[in-house]
Amino acid sequence: EADIYQTPRYLVIGTGKKITLECSQTMGHDKMYWYQQDPGMELHLIHYSYGVNSTEKGDLSSESTVSRIRTEHFPLTLESARPSHTSQYLCASSRRGSSDTEAFFGQGTRLTVV
Amino acid sequence: KNQVEQSPQSLIILEGKNCTLQCNYTVSPFSNLRWYKQDTGRGPVSLTIMTFSENTKSNGRYTATLDADTKQSSLHITASQLSDSASYICVVSDRGSTLGRLYFGRGTQLTVWP
Repeated sequence: EADIYQTPRYLVIGTGKKITLECSQTMGHDKMYWYQQDPGMELHLIHYSYGVNSTEKGDLSSESTVSRIRTEHFPLTLESARPSHTSQYLCASSRRGSSDTEAFFGQGTRLTVV
Repeated sequence: KNQVEQSPQSLIILEGKNCTLQCNYTVSPFSNLRWYKQDTGRGPVSLTIMTFSENTKSNGRYTATLDADTKQSSLHITASQLSDSASYICVVSDRGSTLGRLYFGRGTQLTVWP
C-alpha cells in the first residue's frame, strides 16, 4: 500500500465555492502530480512539481492552482468551483531520478459541483 | 503525437478463464511501459514495468509482453478471479523530458463473473 493520501475522498459543493483538495505523501518523493480523470477516460496531467517551490502546469488546461511549500504536501485549490469541474482528481508522487521510477497514486477525490 | 491505445474497451469473462488485454503506443522516445490496475473509486496500482530490452515479465497471474519494434504490449491474466474486476491501464513513459512524461491509455474495463 502506497503512503500517499488524499482528502476528502468525496466532496459535493455548490457553484462558486472555494475548495482545496489535499494530498500528502510520506515517502520523501520529490516529484508530485495532479491528474484529472473522467469516467472511462484516460488520466490527464493538470499540475506537477519537481520539489519544494516548484510547480508547473500540465497538459490539460485547468483553472486550479497548486502550491508546494513542503516536500510531503501538494494541495490543489479551485477559487470558484463550477459544474464543469466535476471529476475525479488523482494525486501521485515518484522519486526524482530515472524515468523507470514508479508513480504511486492516492485514492482520489471525487468532486461534484452542483 | 504521443498516444496510447487500448483494446478492448471492456471485457466480461467467467471466473477461472484467461484473458489478454492489448496496448498499442506511439510514444517516442520510449522509456518504459507499465500496466496499472485501478479498482473502482481508487487510485491506480502498478502491476508490471517493461523496459525496452524486456520481452516478458510476470507478476503472479499477470504476464506482460512487450514488442518494442511494433510498439505493442499485452497483459495476460490467467485463472481469473472475481477480484480481478477492475480497469487495467497501460501507461507509457517517454525518455525525452526531465519529467519522464506519462502517457495513459483509457483502460480496459474487465468484469469477472462467477
